[in-house]
Amino acid sequence: AQKVTQAQTEISVVEKEDVTLDCVYETRDTTYYLFWYKQPPSGELVFLIRRNSFDEQNEISGRYSWNFQKSTSSFNFTITASQVVDSAVYFCALSEAGRGTDKLIFGTGTRLQVFP
Amino acid sequence: EAGVAQSPRYKIIEKRQSVAFWCNPISGHATLYWYQQILGQGPKLLIQFQNNGVVDDSQLPKDRFSAERLKGVDSTLKIQPAKLEDSAVYLCASSLDRLAGAAGELFFGEGSRLTVL
Repeated sequence: AQKVTQAQTEISVVEKEDVTLDCVYETRDTTYYLFWYKQPPSGELVFLIRRNSFDEQNEISGRYSWNFQKSTSSFNFTITASQVVDSAVYFCALSEAGRGTDKLIFGTGTRLQVFP
Repeated sequence: EAGVAQSPRYKIIEKRQSVAFWCNPISGHATLYWYQQILGQGPKLLIQFQNNGVVDDSQLPKDRFSAERLKGVDSTLKIQPAKLEDSAVYLCASSLDRLAGAAGELFFGEGSRLTVL
């Protein structure tokens, strides 16, 4: 069955520290997408990144970087030099595109608090 | 460009009462989703529409929840009668089409927070 596990419930850091949010997924499919979303206090989820199962290349976007490793079924998210505005709940999600379904399976989220 | 609009933002009701939530997606978006997010959990899909047809409602508790998207634009989610465990944030999202949705290109509203006493 599909499952996304975010073992870290809450992380607190001081501004300018680097922080890594872990995500482990389970799927029987060979074709799938992985995602990260940010949920600020206002409530809406904001799409950050998508990776497909055939592209294990790591990605960097400004202070954000993502490490996708199929061997460990992990898709971790690192924020470099964290800022107070990064405070939010971050969700990792999975969709099994190969099954013809577009349903997203979300993890339970990691609440990140960045203190000044 | 206007985002996904939802109302009301907050609603408090007693158990066994009914409640309705409204969602207006981004103009031109064919696919609309209702997610339920219970405190401390990730969002869970309740129902997905493609235009005015239902694509997936496998996780919708049909004995008490109903949803419609009659003209393929805005949508209403109703709960009747409400139970304590329905306390959650109800998120509406839209995507250009199912392909975009499967690729995670969902645009979410700010949600409607329901408290059932």
